[in-house]
Amino acid sequence: DAGITQSPRHKVTETGTPVTLRCHQTENHRYMYWYRQDPGHGLRLIHYSYGVKDTDKGEVSDGYSVSRSKTEDFLLTLESATSSQTSVYFCAVKTSGGAPGETQYFGPGTRLLVL
Amino acid sequence: KNQVEQSPQSLIILEGKNCTLQCNYTVSPFSNLRWYKQDTGRGPVSLTIMTFSENTKSNGRYTATLDADTKQSSLHITASQLSDSASYICVVSGGNYGGSQGNLIFGKGTKLSVKP
Repeated sequence: DAGITQSPRHKVTETGTPVTLRCHQTENHRYMYWYRQDPGHGLRLIHYSYGVKDTDKGEVSDGYSVSRSKTEDFLLTLESATSSQTSVYFCAVKTSGGAPGETQYFGPGTRLLVL
Repeated sequence: KNQVEQSPQSLIILEGKNCTLQCNYTVSPFSNLRWYKQDTGRGPVSLTIMTFSENTKSNGRYTATLDADTKQSSLHITASQLSDSASYICVVSGGNYGGSQGNLIFGKGTKLSVKP
């Protein structure tokens, strides 16, 4: 599992409230990713990080922000949660810098319900 | 448009039987193709990864094939077990080795149910 944990694992919140999800890794991987998974869609990239304080947007970044102040932690923040952000959120790390054989390892996921 | 299409969407088979899942892609340029297994309530786990020059890759009872000319891949599961019940996701990387995100395109997955 590449030493990835996510917290919380489940969260229920109300529309308009801020929410922060945490991804923690123990193996010093440089690259970290946040995805969301919804029925009828493949995994979609929200944001990713290629180093401390280095982040970039993915396919579905609107309404989300991220921060990475330490190698081991990658935070995803919903500034003002909306019902459309109800989803399962997965963190992932990549185990090398871009060689063809690299792969991503995923965390266990956070199930978020916005009421 | 870069796309990954998987079929069937869902599949039910009896324990002990074989099955084949399909993945067609239009991603270009092509770097590699991966199959992931995702158990209910868990994150995806990598099964195989194949680059352009590889036709077949096995991982136990799982065998993936790749035809880069027709842009098709299949995942064959032999002698299925109840624990094979999961979603299987095809992921194609569009190259850009130096890129962090590597332009990964995810299929929607095939949900496999293995019944006793």
